[in-house]
Amino acid sequence: QSALTQPRSVSGSPGQSVTLSCTGTSSDIGAYNYVSWYQQHPGKAPKLIIYDVHRRPSGVPDRFSGSKSAYTASLTISGLQAEDEADYYCCSFAASFWVFGGGTKLTVL
Amino acid sequence: QVQLQESGPGLVKPLETLSLTCTVSGDSITRTGYHWDWIRQTTGKGPEWIGGISWKGDTFYNPSLMSRATISADTSRNQCSLTLRSVTATDTAVYYCARDYDASSRFDPWGPGTLVTVSS
Repeated sequence: QSALTQPRSVSGSPGQSVTLSCTGTSSDIGAYNYVSWYQQHPGKAPKLIIYDVHRRPSGVPDRFSGSKSAYTASLTISGLQAEDEADYYCCSFAASFWVFGGGTKLTVL
Repeated sequence: QVQLQESGPGLVKPLETLSLTCTVSGDSITRTGYHWDWIRQTTGKGPEWIGGISWKGDTFYNPSLMSRATISADTSRNQCSLTLRSVTATDTAVYYCARDYDASSRFDPWGPGTLVTVSS
């Protein structure tokens, strides 16, 4: 099965907003509202920041928001902060298993 | 709060079996609605879901690894385990365990991960 497609890198300045995309197919993102996003800092385990397309776990700032349209899910980070610099991965259910994206490296300029 | 900790050998020889254990504290692996999953990640790549086991003991696997992977649970020790047979260098990765919620896309939390290298 193919991984979800994410841009390799995205950058933004402090205070700006950025949107990260995650493209799948009719068998995963297009079929289920089971999309999640993870933030990973170097040497650390991934941390859940969005689940079920747009839900935020407790403790995650409302600067992080998620959405989905057709086969593409999006993560928007508003009011960029230096600590947001990390790798971001999307994940979707795909009938009987979970598939992740290849990740986007977010650089805060 | 729930914490997960992976443990096992850091070095496995090619064609041998990789065995890892995830010890869960702060929650019961038999609590209704939870799954306990194994996920791995090679350097510079996205995570790869290996499989999981539900609170009822049902197991689920990535089709690409199903023929080599087995996930089991020891409820008396509150642990789940992964065995991966006939490993090759491509199985070298950081292996994580994570809690998963039934009917939700929610791997949370994750253990810190353990690096397994396949080499002779």
